[in-house]
Amino acid sequence: RKEVEQDPGPFNVPEGATVAFNCTYSNSASQSFFWYRQDCRKEPKLLMSVYSSGNEDGRFTAQLNRASQYISLLIRDSKLSDSATYLCVVNVKSNFGNEKLTFGTGTRLTIIP
Amino acid sequence: DTAVSQTPKYLVTQMGNDKSIKCEQNLGHDTMYWYKQDSKKFLKIMFSYNNKELIINETVPNRFSPKSPDKAHLNLHINSLELGDSAVYFCASSQFGVLTDTQYFGPGTRLTVL
Repeated sequence: RKEVEQDPGPFNVPEGATVAFNCTYSNSASQSFFWYRQDCRKEPKLLMSVYSSGNEDGRFTAQLNRASQYISLLIRDSKLSDSATYLCVVNVKSNFGNEKLTFGTGTRLTIIP
Repeated sequence: DTAVSQTPKYLVTQMGNDKSIKCEQNLGHDTMYWYKQDSKKFLKIMFSYNNKELIINETVPNRFSPKSPDKAHLNLHINSLELGDSAVYFCASSQFGVLTDTQYFGPGTRLTVL
C-alpha cells in the first residue's frame, strides 16, 4: 500500500460548485497532515494544515478521520483560480529514523466557466 | 525579495556530465530540503539539512551529493548524469524542521538529460 494515496482526477467542475477530495494514508502513527496546492509548472504552496477537529479557511474545509486513515478537502463556491493540483501531505518515518513529509501524487482540479 | 531561490531555472545537459544546482533562502530558516518531482508529478524528498547538518538522506544514488556551506544555502551536485535524472528539482526551507512547520518551496530547476 502506498504511504499516501490520492485520486489523480482530473476533476472538472463548473464554477460555483462544491468539490471534495479524499486522501488515504498507510501509517496509523502519522501526526501531521497538510494540503498543498501546486499550479501548473510552479512550486507547491501550503494551502492549509489539517487538524484533528477539522478546520476551515474561507471556502476551504479540511477534515481528518484517524479511524479510517484519511483526510479530505472540501472547496465551496469554486472559483476559476482554484484550478490547480492539490497535494495531500502526511508525515512518515525517514531512513534516518526521524520524520519526513510524504507527498501524494496530487488531485488535479479544473474549474470550468 | 524572493524567499527561496534556485539557479538555474532550466538545465539541459548531456548524459555523463556533472552539474550543480544552487539554492538560497533569505527567511532565516534552520532547515532546507531537496525534492525531486518526476514526470508523473510524484514529489519525493531526497535530502534535508538542519543548521548545515544532514538529517534526512533518502534512498538516492551516491551520484547526488548535497552541500550546505551555511544554513541559508543548500546546493546539489550531480555526477555522471543519467536519463532518469530528468525531473524538476525543488529546494525548500522551513523554520525549525519540525513537522508542523510550513515548507516554502523554491521555483524549481527543470533538468533535462539528453
